[in-house]
Amino acid sequence: EADIYQTPRYLVIGTGKKITLECSQTMGHDKMYWYQQDPGMELHLIHYSYGVNSTEKGDLSSESTVSRIRTEHFPLTLESARPSHTSQYLCASSELSGSGANVLTFGAGSRLTVL
Amino acid sequence: QKEVEQNSGPLSVPEGAIASLNCTYSDRVSQSFFWYRQYSGKSPELIMSIYSNGDKEDGRFTAQLNKASQYVSLLIRDSQPSDSATYLCAVNNRDDKIIFGKGTRLHILP
Repeated sequence: EADIYQTPRYLVIGTGKKITLECSQTMGHDKMYWYQQDPGMELHLIHYSYGVNSTEKGDLSSESTVSRIRTEHFPLTLESARPSHTSQYLCASSELSGSGANVLTFGAGSRLTVL
Repeated sequence: QKEVEQNSGPLSVPEGAIASLNCTYSDRVSQSFFWYRQYSGKSPELIMSIYSNGDKEDGRFTAQLNKASQYVSLLIRDSQPSDSATYLCAVNNRDDKIIFGKGTRLHILP
């Protein structure tokens, strides 16, 4: 069972509200990621972190922001939610395999609906 | 050109047959390649990783890598209805990011 937790699992919220999606992992992984996935569509990397105080934007432009104050915690924040932010948000962390590759473990996801 | 390309399918395969899933990637420097399975409404889960040219077998699954052709494939032998899912190819690119393809929907026909 994956030791990476996301809350809330489901969130329905009105336009203009500020939201924070929580992601925590107990595996001690340095690298953490946020992906965005619309139903039936591909995963897009929106943020990643290589460790505490490290955050980078991914390939898909996003109005969200992230922080990494503690190794185990990588929250994602939307200051003012809009209907275009409706999507599934997947958090992941990775460890280096014996071959030096990043192997991702995903959380269960947070499904956000903005009305 | 997308970094990771897959045929979106659906690919329909009779139960007990071999399912063959293909993926191409654009970054020649990529060294690590992964296949994830994603059931509808669930998160992706790792099935196989491969780093060297050739075949890697794990149970009913075989991953194949050809770096010269920039091609990765996944074979599923003795396909079962429980194998019906979307299969995502992922590549660790030169920027150390893990980039996913759109996925191939696989449907195993009972």
